[in-house]
Amino acid sequence: QQQVKQSPQSLIVQKGGISIINCAYENTAFDYFPWYQQFPGKGPALLIAIRPDVSEKKEGRFTISFNKSAKQFSLHIMDSQPGDSATYFCAASRTGNTGKLIFGQGTTLQVKP
Amino acid sequence: DGGITQSPKYLFRKEGQNVTLSCEQNLNHDAMYWYRQDPGQGLRLIYYSQIVNDFQKGDIAEGYSVSREKKESFPLTVTSAQKNPTAFYLCASRWGTLNTEAFFGQGTRLTVV
Repeated sequence: QQQVKQSPQSLIVQKGGISIINCAYENTAFDYFPWYQQFPGKGPALLIAIRPDVSEKKEGRFTISFNKSAKQFSLHIMDSQPGDSATYFCAASRTGNTGKLIFGQGTTLQVKP
Repeated sequence: DGGITQSPKYLFRKEGQNVTLSCEQNLNHDAMYWYRQDPGQGLRLIYYSQIVNDFQKGDIAEGYSVSREKKESFPLTVTSAQKNPTAFYLCASRWGTLNTEAFFGQGTRLTVV
């Protein structure tokens, strides 16, 4: 019930292409779904987040698509750039539940020039 | 600048030793968290604290201990009971149980020698 499953584990995309990372959750009480970006040797940083009252959120080249009925959400990176090469984590949490973020397993993205 | 500071960046532990990882934040956040990161396993929660002088075990607390004597500080001790301590440790903080951004430190890489 507490798991968040993320796929793929690794992804290679050509510069200018679209990167897509998927996550699925089980706990329908989750009401906050962030994506974090992590560069090697650094801590994760918030990239974009969505709440279940909307089906899509876009910030620049990054878009979250959310499917409440399927309990899935995904990150789309448009016009992928070599500087986007990093590890991406999806996560989920619910209001009032200690603030714990439950993380997916992570996706290592490599954007080839 | 507001943020979370973890120290040291690299730490080496001999067999049978206890070591303590430091985490300090000046964001005035109530909640603080310790995560362990291993390749392919995402971020797993070790301990968390929602208020001074109170903390709870996460999913992988065995072999670890924490204290929360000050709002700003949440040190993690890796004890000799932790059989496989080599990992990247991340500290995070957040506004209580509200679904807001969690801020991470830069991490401490612990290696057993």
